[in-house]
Amino acid sequence: SAVISQKPSRDICQRGTSLTIQCQVDSQVTMMFWYRQQPGQSLTLIATANQGSEATYESGFVIDKFPISRPNLTFSTLTVSNMSPEDSSIYLCSVGGDRAFYNEQFFGPGTRLTVL
Amino acid sequence: AQRVTQPEKLLSVFKGAPVELKCNYSYSGSPELFWYVQYSRQRLQLLLRHISRESIKGFTADLNKGETSFHLKKPFAQEEDSAMYYCALRGSGYSTLTFGKGTMLLVSP
Repeated sequence: SAVISQKPSRDICQRGTSLTIQCQVDSQVTMMFWYRQQPGQSLTLIATANQGSEATYESGFVIDKFPISRPNLTFSTLTVSNMSPEDSSIYLCSVGGDRAFYNEQFFGPGTRLTVL
Repeated sequence: AQRVTQPEKLLSVFKGAPVELKCNYSYSGSPELFWYVQYSRQRLQLLLRHISRESIKGFTADLNKGETSFHLKKPFAQEEDSAMYYCALRGSGYSTLTFGKGTMLLVSP
């Protein structure tokens, strides 16, 4: 299994500013995932972050808006840039999904972001 | 493209009643199907997966490839089953999950 922590747990931000969310895992993992969960909506994958390479973004998400860092095998950050109220959401960090975790995916507690 | 559909946003039942949370999927290959659950104030966690063919907390789910469904069932609902349930799919050769929109299950006493 994997234990994931995220910081901050919640934040209220002003339009036009940026917020960086941190994700820490208690073990070394190959892939880390960032999801967005908007109110009443499903979890949507933003990007996959591999250590030592550029993150892979899903359709509809771009690096300029959601830059990601993956400096080592236990840590990643997601930045939400130039925020607007539409970015208000819960952002989730996730790891696993491969054989090392018997294909199970684990999730962090989430960061609840409100943009005014 | 892969897609997961959960037609019900909310399912409300009384304690002791049977429960069925519906999940249909669209995928051209052989998918791996999961049910994830999120209890109030807790993080999302795996409930069960189709390849294990197991019963967890009294819940079971059978993959029906003909109907492309993976419905979650429990014969007698308990109040502690109240939570948000997400059906998820992983395509062969992929590591990422595609989630449905979720169904909120409310079990009343």
